[in-house]
Amino acid sequence: KAGVTQTPRYLIKTRGQQVTLSCSPISGHRSVSWYQQTPGQGLQFLFEYFSETQRNKGNFPGRFSGRQFSNSRSEMNVSTLELGDSALYLCASSLGRENEQFFGPGTRLTVL
Amino acid sequence: AQSVTQLGSHVSVSEGALVLLRCNYSSSVPPYLFWYVQYPNQGLQLLLKYTSAATLVKGINGFEAEFKKSETSFHLTKPSAHMSDAAEYFCAVSDQDVTTDSWGKLQFGAGTQVVVTP
Repeated sequence: KAGVTQTPRYLIKTRGQQVTLSCSPISGHRSVSWYQQTPGQGLQFLFEYFSETQRNKGNFPGRFSGRQFSNSRSEMNVSTLELGDSALYLCASSLGRENEQFFGPGTRLTVL
Repeated sequence: AQSVTQLGSHVSVSEGALVLLRCNYSSSVPPYLFWYVQYPNQGLQLLLKYTSAATLVKGINGFEAEFKKSETSFHLTKPSAHMSDAAEYFCAVSDQDVTTDSWGKLQFGAGTQVVVTP
């Protein structure tokens, strides 16, 4: 069974630009969660989507948004990029409830 | 909201020695707990999970963890460290949103970097 895939793996942007990251979950998983990982703040939850609906959202500004498609693939968008948005963005998929989340390799975003 | 505390940001162990990584959680309801490992430039890999079936949980690569409700702890151990165990380890608790029945939020500890010396 194929794992969680994320594209692109690496991205370099400049301040003020916007970026879209993509995540394809494991087949059959309807829950997709996104996390931001930085050396200073660690792993922080961004949001969760289930059946195309956002069910939970972390404490991030409105510049961070996401969506999920009918095939469970998900995208997250960051607008008006700031230097502090440089991070590893991780996507995870799950069957839900007590089931574990399976993580993708992440997208490394660098904002210059 | 649930939270997790990992004691020790860095742990150094000799090859063949016991690995002990500490995790304490706060939860108002029976928690779902997880240990993940992250190798450089990679995502997170699940080592093991606790979902109330058994207090002693065995995971991959020889790791195990014991859930102790009285101590609100979920410490990770491995009897004999291997060089390949050098990585960062994260303890996490599932933080349910009852209004939306969302289970997709994991609260992570700050992580423990494990160094294995020959």
